[in-house]
Amino acid sequence: DQQVKQNSPSLSVQEGRISILNCDYTNSMFDYFLWYKKYPAEGPTFLISISSIKDKNEDGRFTVFLNKSAKHLSLHIVPSQPGDSAVYFCAASAGNMLTFGGGTRLMVKP
Amino acid sequence: KAGVTQTPRYLIKTRGQQVTLSCSPISGHRSVSWYQQTPGQGLQFLFEYFSETQRNKGNFPGRFSGRQFSNSRSEMNVSTLELGDSALYLCASSLGDLPTYEQYFGPGTRLTVT
Repeated sequence: DQQVKQNSPSLSVQEGRISILNCDYTNSMFDYFLWYKKYPAEGPTFLISISSIKDKNEDGRFTVFLNKSAKHLSLHIVPSQPGDSAVYFCAASAGNMLTFGGGTRLMVKP
Repeated sequence: KAGVTQTPRYLIKTRGQQVTLSCSPISGHRSVSWYQQTPGQGLQFLFEYFSETQRNKGNFPGRFSGRQFSNSRSEMNVSTLELGDSALYLCASSLGDLPTYEQYFGPGTRLTVT
């Protein structure tokens, strides 16, 4: 039973437009949420995070939104750039253990 | 500062064999976590060590084990390999606990079981 789900395995957007990646979770005990970016042959790198007491966190072109009642979070990338093409994982934690979603492959076309 | 290193990067084993993977954390990091990545399953948590003690364990069979040494280096062992164990095994290190301290991932070890 997957506690964190990313229902879109892939997403394609045009350079300069907005990319929206979605993630759903089921465990109410999760209190911290993160997004990681992964390039081929590399480990995931941390992108942005949000605590369960907030509903929005921004860092440059990246914004994460959290809707606790819907158990849903999303990552917005504006504007999207070709270098953003990668696999994005959302993750949730309760304590020091991360539970990851299956990932969404983002392709940004020039 | 050197990142998390994992050895070997690629490994091919036969069903029934055992394998040991190694992870060297970033200098000063005392927490090491292991994850398994398979297509469509994302990253699944295996276990976490802190100061040589296993603090958390994921839902994997007993064939998967690990340990951490006094210098924080960690190894994971898989015995009696099965085809389904083919995956990318990732190690992550951190200074301490989330959310205060970020986890930094290594490049992974790609294990293929034939």
